Amino acid sequence: EAQVTQNPRYLITVTGKKLTVTCSQNMNHEYMSWYRQDPGLGLRQIYYSMNVEVTDKGDVPEGYKVSRKEKRNFPLILESPSPNQTSLYFCATKRGAEQFFGPGTRLTVL
Amino acid sequence: KQEVTQIPAALSVPEGENLVLNCSFTDSAIYNLQWFRQDPGKGLTSLLLIQSSQREQTSGRLNASLDKSSGRSTLYIAASQPGDSATYLCAVRQGNTGKLIFGQGTTLQVKP
Repeated sequence: EAQVTQNPRYLITVTGKKLTVTCSQNMNHEYMSWYRQDPGLGLRQIYYSMNVEVTDKGDVPEGYKVSRKEKRNFPLILESPSPNQTSLYFCATKRGAEQFFGPGTRLTVL
Repeated sequence: KQEVTQIPAALSVPEGENLVLNCSFTDSAIYNLQWFRQDPGKGLTSLLLIQSSQREQTSGRLNASLDKSSGRSTLYIAASQPGDSATYLCAVRQGNTGKLIFGQGTTLQVKP
């Protein structure tokens, strides 16, 4: 089954404690990206990757890092999380023109 | 800067009614427009994709239209069912980065 998986699905952490949200896809898609969704602000792109070893900033990259060492994985790294990074995070891939989203990771930073 | 607006923000209809959700965008230079469905606490499910050269796309009871020159898209849902209750998001893609710019969504409630 074609899918995008994210782990963990829910995470509560404290300010400053490094964390990684993993994203994996089994569709061999070259393109992957991360979005965050906030009430009143909608979905905004954090980072994207056109292919392995190629990443670039989206609209709200501050406080985040990504890596793309292999095609199937695109982890989102928060080196020093802050409360303003409390949000719902989505990983996405693209096949042709159509984009597909993972189930989301709800992150709370205390 | 592209802005995407969805009206209304919320909509409640009785089961069986046909309904139209609206999406407008400020810059007509788009690659495509995609409609998504989001259930509470869940991810986004792709419903329909309309390329910039297309006027409409249909899938089952759903029909999406695109008028690029006027910056508008509509999602038509025929014979609505309680299972259609969800938030519907439209998103436009500009440029070659693949970035989608989303509207705030319309939250639909279909009452039995």
